[in-house]
Amino acid sequence: GEDVEQSLFLSVREGDSSVINCTYTDSSSTYLYWYKQEPGAGLQLLTYIFSNMDMKQDQRLTVLLNKKDKHLSLRIADTQTGDSAIYFCAESPIYNFNKFYFGSGTKLNVKP
Amino acid sequence: KAGVTQTPRYLIKTRGQQVTLSCSPISGHRSVSWYQQTPGQGLQFLFEYFSETQRNKGNFPGRFSGRQFSNSRSEMNVSTLELGDSALYLCASSQEVGTKDTQYFGPGTRLTVL
Repeated sequence: GEDVEQSLFLSVREGDSSVINCTYTDSSSTYLYWYKQEPGAGLQLLTYIFSNMDMKQDQRLTVLLNKKDKHLSLRIADTQTGDSAIYFCAESPIYNFNKFYFGSGTKLNVKP
Repeated sequence: KAGVTQTPRYLIKTRGQQVTLSCSPISGHRSVSWYQQTPGQGLQFLFEYFSETQRNKGNFPGRFSGRQFSNSRSEMNVSTLELGDSALYLCASSQEVGTKDTQYFGPGTRLTVL
């Protein structure tokens, strides 16, 4: 089955850039997503990228996709304490758009 | 536009009981998916409903079931609860299956089984 891997923790200082990494195995993936989960809350969609793209930028967020290595990253510029949360990478395969496979989540801690 | 709503937000049950969780999708969204989130297993796909039909199913035992109504609202049911069913159950809706779209999640129902 599909496998999505993420590192568990990342700690940065306020104002620095954060880079959260994700690897996936399914070569048929069409969409790759980043979600944010704050304590006690559901998942908030941050951004997504189609698998034929290399990069997508949305304000402070930059998504980079390396299709050859099946590596996805999320860069948050000028990280703020409000960015502290768990970030999930997810993929949906070409044959099943609404069946998402999630990584374990990366807990981002932003120190003031 | 109102987001995905889930009720109840918190639930405490004992082993052997059954539970029903409810999800109201975003207006106009016809697909509803359910996920179980636990510290040990992470986010796991339970099932997806579209137009009152189950279209996809994850690897969960038959104790987990669901349904969708004509107004797209969905319920999931867990029978004969086990301690390991304690989790955050998340519902997500999307507008249409098989198109460029994504899932929007509700806040979840926190189920505790004692």
